[in-house]
Amino acid sequence: TQLLEQSPQFLSIQEGENLTVYCNSSSVFSSLQWYRQEPGEGPVLLVTVVTGGEVKKLKRLTFQFGDARKDSSLHITAAQTGDTGLYLCAASGGYQKVTFGTGTKLQVIP
Amino acid sequence: DAGVTQSPTHLIKTRGQQVTLRCSPKSGHDTVSWYQQALGQGPQFIFQYYEEEERQRGNFPDRFSGHQFPNYSSELNVNALLLGDSALYLCASSPGQVVREKLFFGSGTQLSVL
Repeated sequence: TQLLEQSPQFLSIQEGENLTVYCNSSSVFSSLQWYRQEPGEGPVLLVTVVTGGEVKKLKRLTFQFGDARKDSSLHITAAQTGDTGLYLCAASGGYQKVTFGTGTKLQVIP
Repeated sequence: DAGVTQSPTHLIKTRGQQVTLRCSPKSGHDTVSWYQQALGQGPQFIFQYYEEEERQRGNFPDRFSGHQFPNYSSELNVNALLLGDSALYLCASSPGQVVREKLFFGSGTQLSVL
């Protein structure tokens, strides 16, 4: 069973601050995804990383896949209230099943 | 182009009852996965349907069963409901059985068991 541990579990920051969320596992993954989920909605895919060491940027969000493809990080620069939500990493080691991480609940305070 | 639709949006049941949740996948998608999500936690994989068959199953008891229809829509059935079954149930669809890139989720069904 693949376990994806995310840290921190909760994060409350002021608007304009920077933050980093981590996703760690003992397993190697062929790819890793980051999702954001807002209250009352399903998760929405933000990015997929495939290559070890890969860095992808999505506006103020920077995603990095670890060199060994076991971990990943999400960095948000100058957080905005619209960034509030539950951030989930997910991985598909097998071809049929996507496993989600434990989640990081982010609250950005105006 | 409609995305993934789930019904009902909310449901209240009592212990011991049975419930059926429904999902219509995104147009062009033939694979449906069901997830259970407790408040503030990541979704837990229940099972996946492809070509009207259950292809893989997570760590859930036999009380959880499903079905996929020829039009790719799917149902999740839960029998003998327990208080611990209260959760958000999410349906996700994808094109093809090889789920590597992207899952499209519905907004979920919030189930409360009293």
